[in-house]
Order: sequence, then structure tokens, then C-alpha cells
Amino acid sequence: AAGVIQSPRHLIKEKRETATLKCYPIPRHDTVYWYQQGPGQDPQFLISFYEKMQSDKGSIPDRFSAQQFSDYHSELNMSSLELGDSALYFCASSSPSRLIDEQYFGPGTRLTVT
Amino acid sequence: SQQGEEDPQALSIQEGENATMNCSYKTSINNLQWYRQNSGRGLVHLILIRSNEREKHSGRLRVTLDTSKKSSSLLITASRAADTASYFCATDAGGGADGLTFGKGTHLIIQP
Repeated sequence: AAGVIQSPRHLIKEKRETATLKCYPIPRHDTVYWYQQGPGQDPQFLISFYEKMQSDKGSIPDRFSAQQFSDYHSELNMSSLELGDSALYFCASSSPSRLIDEQYFGPGTRLTVT
Repeated sequence: SQQGEEDPQALSIQEGENATMNCSYKTSINNLQWYRQNSGRGLVHLILIRSNEREKHSGRLRVTLDTSKKSSSLLITASRAADTASYFCATDAGGGADGLTFGKGTHLIIQP
């Protein structure tokens, strides 16, 4: 079965640079979530989209923005990167209208800021 | 704010023994989910228990939920070396596309 796809899997950036992470949800899933997991930390919810509209907002810094496109893929844009942004970034998707509450997670993008 | 708190933070047991992890949360929930994460890898969904359920089984996994105490436990029976991983509970408040709130996680080590 198709899973959530994230790209790139690894990304190295310097301080003050920008980064764009991409997420392709499971086919026919209309809801996408972004999470950040720092080293040794639990995942922290950043933001979610349902039917291309922002749905819920967590601890997403103002330097970050995200959107969901017409094909339901989502992009997380990160600007003015800081060392503390180094983390695993997960995308998850869920089924239409949250009929099933389970969120399916992608493999993550490991961002390293130097 | 941190929703789920898990204990123990680390647990080391012998292969074949049972492992029990606990999770507490603070606010009302729609459901509680348990995830497994192997070192630095993705999160794998294990089991979901709804707020109106008290116990749920899936293979060697048993989850309980006590909404009056705002707590849950995950029991892994007959542990195997492959069960070595970090285990997180995550709560869902149920407001549409709400994000999950994860606990700190328990790092489980199964000694062969």
C-alpha cells in the first residue's frame, strides 16, 4: 500500500538560509499534518491542513509557513534557519473527513542547520 | 503545553518478559494512540483507543484507558528483541484536523 512520501529525506542548510520540505499524502487522504521532533524529544505538532485550508496550528514559528496544494501535497517553508531548527520533520496524513482517526506518518526529513 | 507524560522514561527487560508503559494526559480527549519509533526513524501506529473504550487488544499489545484518571497503559507481552524502540502515547482532542499531542516517550530495551 502507498505510504506518505517526504522529500528530501536529508537536508543540510546553513544558518539564515531557507528550506522547503515536501509531503505527499496517501492517495485520497485530504488532511495533512506537520510535526517537528528535536533530538531526544517527542514530536511537536506544527500545523495541519484539511482540503487545502489551514485547519489547526500548533507551535509553528513565525519564520515557518506551509500550504496544501490542489493535489493535496503540502510544503513546509522555513526561512532564516537557526541551529535550533535542526530536527526530524514528519508529515502525516489522514483519511477523508477523519472517518478513521489514525494519522499515517511519513519517514521524515532530517534537517541539519550548521 | 505538554499533554502526555510517560513513565518510565526508560525500561530494560529480558526477552520474553512483559513490558508496561504508562501515559498521563491533562485535557479531554477523543482518543489516545500509541506509536513506536525505532531510533531516528518514522513513527509507526500501534493501536488507537477511543475515549469510550476501556481496553483494547492487538496481537501482543494491550492498551487500557482510564478517563477518570486521565491515564493509559501499554502492555507488550512476551517481548522480543525487535520490540526495542521508543514508545509514545499521543492524544487527539477530536476537533477536526487537530494535531496529536505526544508524550515524552518511553525508551524500551529488550535484552536478548
